[in-house]
Amino acid sequence: NAGVTQTPKFRVLKTGQSMTLLCAQDMNHEYMYWYRQDPGMGLRLIHYSVGEGTTAKGEVPDGYNVSRLKKQNFLLGLESAAPSQTSVYFCASSHNRGTGELFFGEGSRLTVL
Amino acid sequence: DAKTTQPNSMESNEEEPVHLPCNHSTISGTDYIHWYRQLPSQGPEYVIHGLTSNVNNRMASLAIAEDRKSSTLILHRATLRDAAVYYCILRDSGNTPLVFGKGTRLSVIA
Repeated sequence: NAGVTQTPKFRVLKTGQSMTLLCAQDMNHEYMYWYRQDPGMGLRLIHYSVGEGTTAKGEVPDGYNVSRLKKQNFLLGLESAAPSQTSVYFCASSHNRGTGELFFGEGSRLTVL
Repeated sequence: DAKTTQPNSMESNEEEPVHLPCNHSTISGTDYIHWYRQLPSQGPEYVIHGLTSNVNNRMASLAIAEDRKSSTLILHRATLRDAAVYYCILRDSGNTPLVFGKGTRLSVIA
């Protein structure tokens, strides 16, 4: 059981470039989330999804887009990267019932020069 | 969202109990108290959660004040592997996304 897998693990971009982070989960979870974490800070929610085909904005959605075309995948896109988007990005998933425990991926470290 | 207040950092000796406090004076009746921890260079992991009664699991215990305005995460015997940032989070019954604060950074001394 892989759990939550994020790709890529590391990426360096130049300002203005675009990229997509992929999150895949094999636990049949309904909910998926994208967070970012800056040094010394807690995690901040970017976007989330409560099911296939749905997305919603979190605390810091500006500059990002997301898609949930398949239940197991949640994509985070940066159309025009900026240095302020240098961060570690974490994906998570959870059931919509029970404890609602979130399972996190290992993170993707993005640097924008 | 109701907020939580935690100390920035705490220190413990190995193999001693650790009590991590959390204040949440504006908690609502439907808010669950969740604890997650984040080990160095890893994503957060679930530790425990509760509503009103004290809770125990294999990782920790959660003691909730009678008025629910504060709670304490208890690690019964700290190990070096318990060194992490611990987050206390309120979450209502609607499975809304977790909102993280800065948490408490726990250092464990051998």
